[in-house]
Amino acid sequence: DARVTQTPRHKVTEMGQEVTMRCQPILGHNTVFWYRQTMMQGLELLAYFRNRAPLDDSGMPKDRFSAEMPDATLATLKIQPSEPRDSAVYFCASGPPGVANYGYTFGSGTRLTVV
Amino acid sequence: DQQVKQNSPSLSVQEGRISILNCDYTNSMFDYFLWYKKYPAEGPTFLISISSIKDKNEDGRFTVFLNKSAKHLSLHIVPSQPGDSAVCFCAASELTSYDKVIFGPGTSLSVIP
Repeated sequence: DARVTQTPRHKVTEMGQEVTMRCQPILGHNTVFWYRQTMMQGLELLAYFRNRAPLDDSGMPKDRFSAEMPDATLATLKIQPSEPRDSAVYFCASGPPGVANYGYTFGSGTRLTVV
Repeated sequence: DQQVKQNSPSLSVQEGRISILNCDYTNSMFDYFLWYKKYPAEGPTFLISISSIKDKNEDGRFTVFLNKSAKHLSLHIVPSQPGDSAVCFCAASELTSYDKVIFGPGTSLSVIP
């Protein structure tokens, strides 16, 4: 059963520290997304890639967040420096070409707590 | 400003009855709509979708209705089952950027046995 793998599942860090979240998309999926879930905003789209190229990162705070795809099997989301307001669950999702008809496959998320 | 709105944070329904989850959107360029469900400690999973050329799509117990003039869609679950208890997200995308799916805040559905 193909799945999107996210690591770590949980992360507790101190304010000011760098945080890196990783995602392994499903093999063959060429579109990768980063979402953040908060109580107030629900699921917010942070950034997404197609064929490893960034297409849209308008939802991401540029000064501290960065997203990359070093290769087709790895996507990373980095926060530097982290702040308490970054505490949330971060989801990665991937999809094949023409994905909208079938929906994306989400990972189980990384729960980030910044203290 | 939220482009996809789900004004009911929660909904409680008796098992066997109909669950109706509502969603409104403000972006008239949206032309593809999806519903996802999310259980605790898991990622969202796809439920059902509808294109703007249709006003209804049915899949088993799940039916989505779209009213484009009102910018409103709804998800009907009949009959509701306890396993349907989850946060249900409405989502939408534009034809020109169908990858960019915008989610609503979600409605927490509880189906009471």
